[in-house]
Amino acid sequence: DQQVKQNSPSLSVQEGRISILNCDYTNSMFDYFLWYKKYPAEGPTFLISISSIKDKNEDGRFTVFLNKSAKHLSLHIVPSQPGDSAVYFCAASDPLETSGSRLTFGEGTQLTVNP
Amino acid sequence: DSGVTQTPKHLITATGQRVTLRCSPRSGDLSVYWYQQSLDQGLQFLIQYYNGEERAKGNILERFSAQQFPDLHSELNLSSLELGDSALYFCASSPPRVGSKNIQYFGAGTRLSVL
Repeated sequence: DQQVKQNSPSLSVQEGRISILNCDYTNSMFDYFLWYKKYPAEGPTFLISISSIKDKNEDGRFTVFLNKSAKHLSLHIVPSQPGDSAVYFCAASDPLETSGSRLTFGEGTQLTVNP
Repeated sequence: DSGVTQTPKHLITATGQRVTLRCSPRSGDLSVYWYQQSLDQGLQFLIQYYNGEERAKGNILERFSAQQFPDLHSELNLSSLELGDSALYFCASSPPRVGSKNIQYFGAGTRLSVL
């Protein structure tokens, strides 16, 4: 049962344009959502996150939108830069007391930004 | 640099063997998580430790075990290895949750190849 899904394995955009990466989830208990970026031969790097009580969080060129009724979140990158080319993972947090929470990851979307 | 250190970076071994993967969390983080990423798949949660105690288990095989030591470093032990165990193994650490906020910081991973 895939609780977090990224339906687009790949996305290609032109430099300077907007990149929109999508993610859907099924578990209504998720209370925190994160986006990670991953370059080859490196571990995932935290990018941006959003609490389930908010619908938008912005950090520089990156904005995450959350639509709880649709169980959908998206990551917008504006403007896109060639250095943004990487695999982007959506992750959702399932609360487990105060000691931390497991993350459930989507399969990832390979973003390619063309110069 | 996330502050999470994993060793070794690469491991090549044969079927039936046993290996140990090591992880040092970020300074001050009490939670350690282990994830497995098989080819072209998302990260699968294996197990979490908090301050030396097991806190959560995911889809971890019985042939796999982990522990967290008093100095908070963790080891993941994989035994009776099979070809299908070839994967990237990531360790992550996190500070205690504040509200719903839970950000995990990942190491660079250990690439295990079982021949």
